[in-house]
Amino acid sequence: NAGVTQTPKFRVLKTGQSMTLLCAQDMNHEYMYWYRQDPGMGLRLIHYSVGEGTTAKGEVPDGYNVSRLKKQNFLLGLESAAPSQTSVYFCASSYSVGGNSPLHFGNGTRLTVT
Amino acid sequence: AQTVTQSQPEMSVQEAETVTLSCTYDTSESDYYLFWYKQPPSRQMILVIRQEAYKQQNATENRFSVNFQKAAKSFSLKISDSQLGDAAMYFCAYRSARTGGGADGLTFGKGTHLIIQP
Repeated sequence: NAGVTQTPKFRVLKTGQSMTLLCAQDMNHEYMYWYRQDPGMGLRLIHYSVGEGTTAKGEVPDGYNVSRLKKQNFLLGLESAAPSQTSVYFCASSYSVGGNSPLHFGNGTRLTVT
Repeated sequence: AQTVTQSQPEMSVQEAETVTLSCTYDTSESDYYLFWYKQPPSRQMILVIRQEAYKQQNATENRFSVNFQKAAKSFSLKISDSQLGDAAMYFCAYRSARTGGGADGLTFGKGTHLIIQP
């Protein structure tokens, strides 16, 4: 039972480079999320998806793009990385939006942009 | 938009003692869910406890309980008999329960770092 799996776990990028973070869930969840966590800021929503083929912007979407081509996968892309994108990124998923359907989180990706 | 405020960046408690972490939130909605998540140094986000706003009874999970004051928009977490394994960041979070809402996930507070003194 893998749950939510994020790859990679760590990555170092140079300013201007691009990369894609992969999130995969095996729980048949409809809803998927990308958050970033910065010291003293809690978790902030970047983008989310309410189903295959759909995406929407969250609180801090600038500089990121996402795709949900398959229900089980949610990709987060950085087209031109900036030092301000140094953060820990979390993917999460949930079956529905109710309180009995809490978010399940991956273990995070630590990204450093130099 | 909803906001969640955790006014204690750091708390410290002696092992076996009781500690209360504070959380307040601001919303114009009447139906919502509240959560406490624990994040140990491993970075894993672990659900500790949840509360439905329509329920007056405070949620309890073993040594963890909440004091939910809907009128005051307060949702504190009490940890009894603190253990070394309770040391972590604790995040309070809000999710809308209105029809069509909640799809945008959780709104988090900034977290409280809990230190357990042996």
